[in-house]
Order: sequence, then C-alpha cells, then structure tokens
Amino acid sequence: SYVLTQPPSVSVAPGKTARITCGGNNIGSKSVHWYQQKPGQAPVLVIYYDSDRPSGIPERFSGSNSGNTATLTISRVEAGDEADYYCQVWDSSSDRWVFGGGTKLTVL
Amino acid sequence: EVQLVESGGGLVQPGGSLRLSCAASGFTFSSYSMNWVRQAPGKGLEWVSYISSSSSTIYYADSVKGRFTISRDNAKNSLYLQMNSLRDEDTAVYYCASQSPAFDYWGQGTLVTVSS
Repeated sequence: SYVLTQPPSVSVAPGKTARITCGGNNIGSKSVHWYQQKPGQAPVLVIYYDSDRPSGIPERFSGSNSGNTATLTISRVEAGDEADYYCQVWDSSSDRWVFGGGTKLTVL
Repeated sequence: EVQLVESGGGLVQPGGSLRLSCAASGFTFSSYSMNWVRQAPGKGLEWVSYISSSSSTIYYADSVKGRFTISRDNAKNSLYLQMNSLRDEDTAVYYCASQSPAFDYWGQGTLVTVSS
C-alpha cells in the first residue's frame, strides 16, 4: 500500500517561513492535498491539487510537488498557524485515500 | 452555508454495532462524493470509506472492510456508516467529509468509544 511520510514536528519563529514535507514514492505523479487541524477542531483544507488554495485561505499558504516530495510552505508564519498538518493523496492502485502521519507545527 | 452534522456516536461494547449519520445542508448533496474519516485519540487522520454521488462506487479501508457499510440517501441529504463487530481499535472521532475534489467540507465529528 502507498505510504506518505511526514516529519512529526516542525518549529518556526513568527514571521519566518515554515516548510512541511510529505514523502512518497513518485508522489510527483499524484495530486496532493493538505489539511490544517487545530486542537479540538475538524480538519480544514488549505491546499488542493498540489498548489491551489481554497477561497478564504491566505496567500501565505502555498504548495509544490515534484519527484518523491510534496511541500507545504507557510510564509510569514503567525501564531494562529500553529496546528497539525496532514498531506493526502488518492492511491489509484488500491482505490484508497491515504493520509500522511501528520506534522505538528510549533510557532516559537 | 455548508453544514455537515454527524450523529450516532457513543459507548459500545466490543462486538457491538453502531450506525452513524451525517446530515448535509447548504449544498447539492446528491452531486458530491462523500467520505468517512476517523481519528483515534491523540492520533492522526485515517480514511475509512468512500461513496460516489450515486452510490455506484464504494471503497473501504482494509481495517474496516467486511465490518462497516457506507450508504447514503440523497432524498434525505444524509450519509450513513453502519459499523458492526466493533473493536477497541475502532475507538475514534468519526468525521464525514464532502469531496470536490479534495475533502473540502468536514463535519464536527462524533465520538465512538468501544469498551467493555
């Protein structure tokens, strides 16, 4: 089955840039979606189709995907960005959605 | 405003059954594929099941296949998850989510606790 690997945690100072990676075999050939989840809340879609932003998501959130790594980039990080972030892909070989293990973003 | 409201969670003994519901409003429910996703306490997201808009295509995670059944009633704008032969490891918050093309809207979740 397809596996997505994320770092358990990423720390960044306010105003700096955070990069959260999502590794998978030839993930560049798949469409990657990203979700933000704050404690006690449901996940929120922040990036879809590798780099598209839903309405209402700040331009500070961007995404890229190539080779074996997809990346969620958060520019000018704010305290309110502190959350867990999950990547997701559709595994067409097994007809299953797959989530990464999640990355806890800490704003220092 | 899009709303997804789950219900039906609760405490159940191992081997028992529960039926979760997800009431949708604010969008054309019959046009969207839907999913169930769960999250065990302190853990990450785990996809559970998918159903297409017309119910013609259904998929399950290996962990629930043969025990859980997803269904929908487009006339009632509702999604369901029948959970049988429940195990301790099924304890989680269960979310319903609409898919277009990613999981763009989520409910607030309903807690299922499997324990004796």
